[in-house]
Amino acid sequence: GAVVSQHPSWVICKSGTSVKIECRSLDFQATTMFWYRQFPKQSLMLMATSNEGSKATYEQGVEKDKFLINHASLTLSTLTVTSAHPEDSSFYICSAPQGAVSGSNSPLHFGNGTRLTVT
Amino acid sequence: DAKTTQPNSMESNEEEPVHLPCNHSTISGTDYIHWYRQLPSQGPEYVIHGLTSNVNNRMASLAIAEDRKSSTLILHRATLRDAAVYYCILRNSNSGYALNFGKGTSLLVTP
Repeated sequence: GAVVSQHPSWVICKSGTSVKIECRSLDFQATTMFWYRQFPKQSLMLMATSNEGSKATYEQGVEKDKFLINHASLTLSTLTVTSAHPEDSSFYICSAPQGAVSGSNSPLHFGNGTRLTVT
Repeated sequence: DAKTTQPNSMESNEEEPVHLPCNHSTISGTDYIHWYRQLPSQGPEYVIHGLTSNVNNRMASLAIAEDRKSSTLILHRATLRDAAVYYCILRNSNSGYALNFGKGTSLLVTP
């Protein structure tokens, strides 16, 4: 079945540094990928939509200059948390639809998430 | 976006069937009903989806009410590995095809 690979699975960084998270679709192409954030005991919150070959679309309240998204190819999207602070500590999850993104009939496949801890 | 309402938690015995309800009284004609589940410390996993007719796959069954204002995810024989948060989500073109997660139902399976 379709697989989305996310790397790293966990990372600890110091406050003020930047962290890059990779999301790859392993056996299908994804022109669109979605990035989510999940705080403890809360549900997933959509942060942004990553579009191959164009700028990402950010949800209201998400700082585009802090959370840099690059969708460099049809199988890779990256999320860079710049100048990380402890409040950025969270579980970051990417997802990609298999099949035409224009169909609400397409399941989304999710990565296993990246646990970011900022000290 | 049309909202869904699910119980916060449910409990089931192992090897018993589980019926997870979802209310979506404001569903529109173009909304697909999607179910995902999230095991602890993992990303969500697709379970099943449907539009109007009941659906079956290897993981579960989805029963959709005739008026589409509610649906039920059916796990035919719960196992300990089915303990997860189950999300019922409506998906259509207005949401950009992303999934907007609610709080879901936390399913506890006891031996």
